[in-house]
Amino acid sequence: GAGVSQSPSNKVTEKGKDVELRCDPISGHTALYWYRQSLGQGLEFLIYFQGNSAPDKSGLPSDRFSAERTGGSVSTLTIQRTQQEDSAVYLCASSLTGANTEAFFGQGTRLTVV
Amino acid sequence: QKEVEQNSGPLSVPEGAIASLNCTYSDRGSQSFFWYRQYSGKSPELIMSIYSNGDKEDGRFTAQLNKASQYVSLLIRDSQPSDSATYLCAVTKAAGNKLTFGGGTRVLVKP
Repeated sequence: GAGVSQSPSNKVTEKGKDVELRCDPISGHTALYWYRQSLGQGLEFLIYFQGNSAPDKSGLPSDRFSAERTGGSVSTLTIQRTQQEDSAVYLCASSLTGANTEAFFGQGTRLTVV
Repeated sequence: QKEVEQNSGPLSVPEGAIASLNCTYSDRGSQSFFWYRQYSGKSPELIMSIYSNGDKEDGRFTAQLNKASQYVSLLIRDSQPSDSATYLCAVTKAAGNKLTFGGGTRVLVKP
């Protein structure tokens, strides 16, 4: 596609439920990043994919968070047993190769846990 | 010490003036440097990338990189009210390709 696409744009879920957030990167981009941004805060790194592998998942805050990428394209971030502190905007970015290439962001998914 | 540091601001600039934003980073082997602009409620938008020491100009924007001092800056000339946003500095470290962001500098351009 023309840009990074994320879905849904907004998600309201009840505490304790599982949610899946989807990221469709720019066609041909091999690197994919997930970040989280809480209200008024900076970008918190979650995980980085190169192809289908995740060489850096150091930012995942707990084992409730997982992510996968299939076919070197679409990525899904799953949050199990959501908590109120998981409420944030989840941002996905992709870049051509990762190394020294520009990354472009999707519009984000605003997750609200009630 | 944070990996990428920015003054949070706000940096208040009169319309038409030059806004100067600074960013320092801790990993001396960092290779790639980026500036993003983020409007309130929107996702970050890439405005500049710089990979080698010196200046790089794109329209009203100039990025400056000094690897010896571990310092990257962004100048916005002829600042406009539409430039009011948070500006994020991002760095790719030497080991791996994780893109690490600073906390951002909020810029307010006053008419």
